Amino acid sequence: AQRVTQPEKLLSVFKGAPVELKCNYSYSGSPELFWYVQYSRQRLQLLLRHISRESIKGFTADLNKGETSFHLKKPFAQEEDSAMYYCALLYNQGGKLIFGQGTELSVKP
Amino acid sequence: NAGVTQTPKFQVLKTGQSMTLQCAQDMNHNSMYWYRQDPGMGLRLIYYSASEGTTDKGEVPNGYNVSRLNKREFSLRLESAAPSQTSVYFCASSEVSNQPQHFGDGTRLSIL
Repeated sequence: AQRVTQPEKLLSVFKGAPVELKCNYSYSGSPELFWYVQYSRQRLQLLLRHISRESIKGFTADLNKGETSFHLKKPFAQEEDSAMYYCALLYNQGGKLIFGQGTELSVKP
Repeated sequence: NAGVTQTPKFQVLKTGQSMTLQCAQDMNHNSMYWYRQDPGMGLRLIYYSASEGTTDKGEVPNGYNVSRLNKREFSLRLESAAPSQTSVYFCASSEVSNQPQHFGDGTRLSIL
């Protein structure tokens, strides 16, 4: 069955430290993966998708099919990165997204 | 540009009452979705509508019905609310079904 796992509920780092938010997926087909972010008092919004291969707000994520992972990374965390992050898998062309449980990132000054 | 608008923002119901959550988007998107968000479980898809005139079940459809009223509007109905349906409900839309989804602010629903 399709599944997305984010093993960390809370990740706390200091400003300037590297950040890695983990995401593992289970899917027999060709995965399409996304990271969504929800800042305090804001809507859930798309951060990046793997097919775009972009860097958004300094974040990158690489799809590793061998390890079935799509970890989100940033070399130097900023306080404004504090938010809830969700990894999501698009598992058929009907637009069905499966979300992970979410990781709360807290960046301390 | 409002994007995806959900009403109401908050609602308290008694067990057995019925309720319709409204969602409208102004981006001319074809696909619309309803999710619920529960602590520790992320977002789970309730129903979706890939295009006007079609609706399909998601991961957790039991106890809900939907109506794709027109291209803009997609409503979610609880016919007989149960405490297990206490949750935050999010509506989303996308240009077509495999494109990134845009979310509303959510409706916080409590059922006593």
